[in-house]
Amino acid sequence: GQQVMQIPQYQHVQEGEDFTTYCNSSTTLSNIQWYKQRPGGHPVFLIQLVKSGEVKKQKRLTFQFGEAKKNSSLHITATQTTDVGTYFCAGRETSGSRLTFGEGTQLTVNP
Amino acid sequence: DAEITQSPRHKITETGRQVTLACHQTWNHNNMFWYRQDLGHGLRLIHYSYGVQDTNKGEVSDGYSVSRSNTEDLPLTLESAASSQTSVYFCASSEYRTGGLEQYFGPGTRLTVT
Repeated sequence: GQQVMQIPQYQHVQEGEDFTTYCNSSTTLSNIQWYKQRPGGHPVFLIQLVKSGEVKKQKRLTFQFGEAKKNSSLHITATQTTDVGTYFCAGRETSGSRLTFGEGTQLTVNP
Repeated sequence: DAEITQSPRHKITETGRQVTLACHQTWNHNNMFWYRQDLGHGLRLIHYSYGVQDTNKGEVSDGYSVSRSNTEDLPLTLESAASSQTSVYFCASSEYRTGGLEQYFGPGTRLTVT
């Protein structure tokens, strides 16, 4: 079955440093979504990427979808303490609505 | 405002007991999902439903069942709770569209099986 791998599992940064998490799928994806989960909270949708090579930005967050639609990345510029949480990618393989989630990257930001 | 709720938020039960976790959404979404979250495993899909009377198994469905009798509710039943089912359980819903849309998650239920 489809597998989605995400690295790193943990990342500790100083406030102001950049952060990147990478997501790789064993199969070609129809689209990929990114979610953020604050400590003690539930996953919250950030963005969806659909097109090969697509790049989207949300303020300090930049999301990329690979040309082969098998990998994706999330980059945060100049992290802030409000960025703390676990970031998940989730891939959709076919036209159905089910997602396969990566293991997540837990981000800690030291002030 | 539309929302998705889960109850109970915390549950402690004994091995072998049947447990049902409730999920209720007022988004009027056709799709509903149950996930479990464990350290190092992210979110794993247990069961999902694309509409009333429709249920499907996810990647970790053994020991769990669901039923969908209306649009709003998808209860998750652990038929005979085991310690390996200690976890945080999230329910989610989404609107059906080709290509799929974002999933809205409930607040979660923390289940401990002793």
